[in-house]
Amino acid sequence: ILNVEQSPQSLHVQEGDSTNFTCSFPSSNFYALHWYRWETAKSPEALFVMTLNGDEKKKGQISATLNTKEGYSYLYIKGSQPEDSATYLCAFERNSGNTPLVFGKGTRLSVIA
Amino acid sequence: DVKVTQSSRYLVKRTGEKVFLECVQDMDHENMFWYRQDPGLGLRLIYFSYDVKMKEKGDIPEGYSVSREKKERFSLILESASTNQTSMYLCASSSRIGPSSYNSPLHFGNGTRLTVT
Repeated sequence: ILNVEQSPQSLHVQEGDSTNFTCSFPSSNFYALHWYRWETAKSPEALFVMTLNGDEKKKGQISATLNTKEGYSYLYIKGSQPEDSATYLCAFERNSGNTPLVFGKGTRLSVIA
Repeated sequence: DVKVTQSSRYLVKRTGEKVFLECVQDMDHENMFWYRQDPGLGLRLIYFSYDVKMKEKGDIPEGYSVSREKKERFSLILESASTNQTSMYLCASSSRIGPSSYNSPLHFGNGTRLTVT
């Protein structure tokens, strides 16, 4: 059974704070690690798909790093804004054919103005 | 832009009813998925499909079936709805997953919130 763990489960920060959270995944049979943002009343949308160890991706004030050898990825938000409030999901993709993603339970971020 | 459309945003059904949740995508994606999301449990995969008329069980297929007669449409069927199937249901599609899928994320619909009374 594949285990994808996200921490913390929830987070409350003040506007302007920087924050980060973690996704842990199996280090064997790795193909890719996905990050999604899910805002209330909207559909989850993809932030990043990362495949290479040491990779770092950035989208605006959000960035992510990847360590495939130890099986973790960090998502950073610099200068959080209320519109960053959402649930952030990571998902592990295995390198064995057409195998569906395994999602973590998400980190729920609330940014207070 | 990929669009994944779920037929209903909210549904209320009675126990024992047969329920159809419809999902249509407009980007010719091979793969389609049905998830349910419950508080504290995250996204759980019910069924998925790699091609027309193909289906594979996910993690929690019991009480559900699916149909994929056309590439763009993937239907989730609750044969006899029960109260424990009250949930948010999300459909998703992707062009490909696995070793040939580089940079191929899932595209999600807006979800159907189903209440079974």
